[in-house]
Amino acid sequence: GIQVEQSPPDLILQEGANSTLRCNFSDSVNNLQWFHQNPWGQLINLFYIPSGTKQNGRLSATTVATERYSLLYISSSQTTDSGVYFCAVERRDTGANSKLTFGKGITLSVRP
Amino acid sequence: DAGVTQSPTHLIKTRGQQVTLRCSPKSGHDTVSWYQQALGQGPQFIFQYYEEEERQRGNFPDRFSGHQFPNYSSELNVNALLLGDSALYLCASSLFAGGPRNEQFFGPGTRLTVL
Repeated sequence: GIQVEQSPPDLILQEGANSTLRCNFSDSVNNLQWFHQNPWGQLINLFYIPSGTKQNGRLSATTVATERYSLLYISSSQTTDSGVYFCAVERRDTGANSKLTFGKGITLSVRP
Repeated sequence: DAGVTQSPTHLIKTRGQQVTLRCSPKSGHDTVSWYQQALGQGPQFIFQYYEEEERQRGNFPDRFSGHQFPNYSSELNVNALLLGDSALYLCASSLFAGGPRNEQFFGPGTRLTVL
């Protein structure tokens, strides 16, 4: 099956700093999503981005599908950005919906 | 617009028991997928339901079974619980064959502890 690798595994930032989180995947995909998991376990949708660039406030994401990677940028980080960031991809082998395959996540800690 | 809901929030069971978890999809969605997330890991796909049928299954034993009801809500059943089944169970909803956008939305999860 498709492999998803995220880096770095852990990231510690001072409040106000910028960061880049990376997601590499091993095959072509139909869907790529970035999530933030809060301390209670809720997965919050950040971006649906199978290709191209999107921005939402201090967050932006870029997926280069031909080179099989995606980047999540966090600018002017805040303590509330702390948590685990997951990249998940879908490869639709058999038509219609398929499963999401997740990376192991990146644990971000933003210090005040 | 109601999001994905799951119940119960937490559950404690002993080895060998059976458990049922419940999920209601986001308004307008017709497909429910279940994932298991062990501590420190990313979620792993269990199975997906659409039109009351299991459409895809991940690498999980037959002890894991499910059901989807006509109102699109779903249940996950786990029989003969093992200690290793302790995890956060997440439900996701989406639109089947959703055209150009096939985004999945997750519920808050059920944290299962097996003693």
